[in-house]
Amino acid sequence: DQQVKQNSPSLSVQEGRISILNCDYTNSMFDYFLWYKKYPAEGPTFLISISSIKDKNEDGRFTVFLNKSAKHLSLHIVPSQPGDSAVYFCAAKVYNNNDMRFGAGTRLTVKP
Amino acid sequence: NAGVTQTPKFQVLKTGQSMTLQCAQDMNHEYMSWYRQDPGMGLRLIHYSVGAGITDQGEVPNGYNVSRSTTEDFPLRLLSAAPSQTSVYFCASSSNPGQGAFSYPTDTQYFGPGTRLTVL
Repeated sequence: DQQVKQNSPSLSVQEGRISILNCDYTNSMFDYFLWYKKYPAEGPTFLISISSIKDKNEDGRFTVFLNKSAKHLSLHIVPSQPGDSAVYFCAAKVYNNNDMRFGAGTRLTVKP
Repeated sequence: NAGVTQTPKFQVLKTGQSMTLQCAQDMNHEYMSWYRQDPGMGLRLIHYSVGAGITDQGEVPNGYNVSRSTTEDFPLRLLSAAPSQTSVYFCASSSNPGQGAFSYPTDTQYFGPGTRLTVL
């Protein structure tokens, strides 16, 4: 039962353009959402998060949008850079519950 | 500051063998956890610990044991390896701001580099 889904296994964009990575979830109890970035042979690193009381959170080139009614969140990277090429994982959890659920990841390739 | 370290980086086991994956952190973090990553599945939580002497099960705990005798170390034991346990294993840690009832890890959950395990 995959409660967090990233339906696009891969995404390719041109340098300087916007990258949009999508994530859907099924558990309406989730109230905290995170994005992690992972390079090959390394562990994931935290990128940005959003609480369910917000619908947008911005950090530099990265913005996460949350649509609770659609149970959907997205990560926007503007402008995209070649160094952003990595696998991006969406994750979700319930406050006061340690069980964080991850999506399967989306491999982003930013072409120079 | 080494962060989160994991040993070994690679391991091949035969079915039925046992082994321990080591995880250590030097950031004095209370919360530590183990995940496995399988193709098409993302990361799944195996076990976690909110402090020395306290552990609990995650989403996929069967076939794994953990203990937490010190703040720094959180080993993961496979008692009798099975091919289904072939995976990449990540250990993670974070500070725990909760008082009393545990809240949840801070955003900054630091992951180790992973251990790639193959069970034949």
